[in-house]
Amino acid sequence: DAGITQSPRHKVTETGTPVTLRCHQTENHRYMYWYRQDPGHGLRLIHYSYGVKDTDKGEVSDGYSVSRSKTEDFLLTLESATSSQTSVYFCAISDAAFRRFMDEQFFGPGTRLTVL
Amino acid sequence: AQSVTQLDSHVSVSEGTPVLLRCNYSSSYSPSLFWYVQHPNKGLQLLLKYTSAATLVKGINGFEAEFKKSETSFHLTKPSAHMSDAAEYFCVVSDLKGKLIFGQGTTLQVKP
Repeated sequence: DAGITQSPRHKVTETGTPVTLRCHQTENHRYMYWYRQDPGHGLRLIHYSYGVKDTDKGEVSDGYSVSRSKTEDFLLTLESATSSQTSVYFCAISDAAFRRFMDEQFFGPGTRLTVL
Repeated sequence: AQSVTQLDSHVSVSEGTPVLLRCNYSSSYSPSLFWYVQHPNKGLQLLLKYTSAATLVKGINGFEAEFKKSETSFHLTKPSAHMSDAAEYFCVVSDLKGKLIFGQGTTLQVKP
C-alpha cells in the first residue's frame, strides 16, 4: 500500500470553527489531492497540488483552502466549518511525470468530519 | 467535458454467480478509465485501468473490464462472485490534467 496517512481520522466540531485536516505521504509523489465523499455523489475534488506551494481549485473548493509547504504534507483547512461540510474527506497522491492523465491515484484511509 | 455514468446504484448477486457493473463514459478524446473499489470504512483501491492499450483489461481479484468505444462503455465483470467482493465500486475517467471524475458508485451485495 502507498504510504499515505490522514489525521485526524475522526473529528466532531461546531459550526463556525476552523478545522485543519492533514495528509502525509512517504512516497515522494509530486501530486496530491483532496476529495470529499458524499452519498450519491461519488468523490468530488476540492483542491489539488502539483508541487510545493503550487495548488489549484477543484470543483467544490468554496469554503476550503489548502497549503503545501513540504512535498510530504498537504493540509486542508475549513475556514469556518458549516454543517454542509460534514463529509468523509480523502487525500490522494500520484506521481505521473509526462502523461499524467494515464496514471492512477492512491488514496488515504479517509477522515470522517462531523460539523454540528 | 468528461463524465461517467454508472447505470446501477445497487447490484445484488449470489455467491458464485457472475458480476456485471455497468459504466458509460463521455469524453471528447480517447479517455483513461479506471475502476476503484471501496470496502466499508476503507479508502479506495485501484482494481484496473485502461489507457488505450488492450481493450480488455485484467485487474486484481479476478475482475476485468472491456473498453468499447462504439458503445462508450467500460463495464466491470467477474465470472464468479465471492462474499469478499461486497463493496462499493466506482467508475472513473481522467481528464488531460490528471484530475479524476467519479461516477456515483455502485454498491455490490453478495448473498450466500
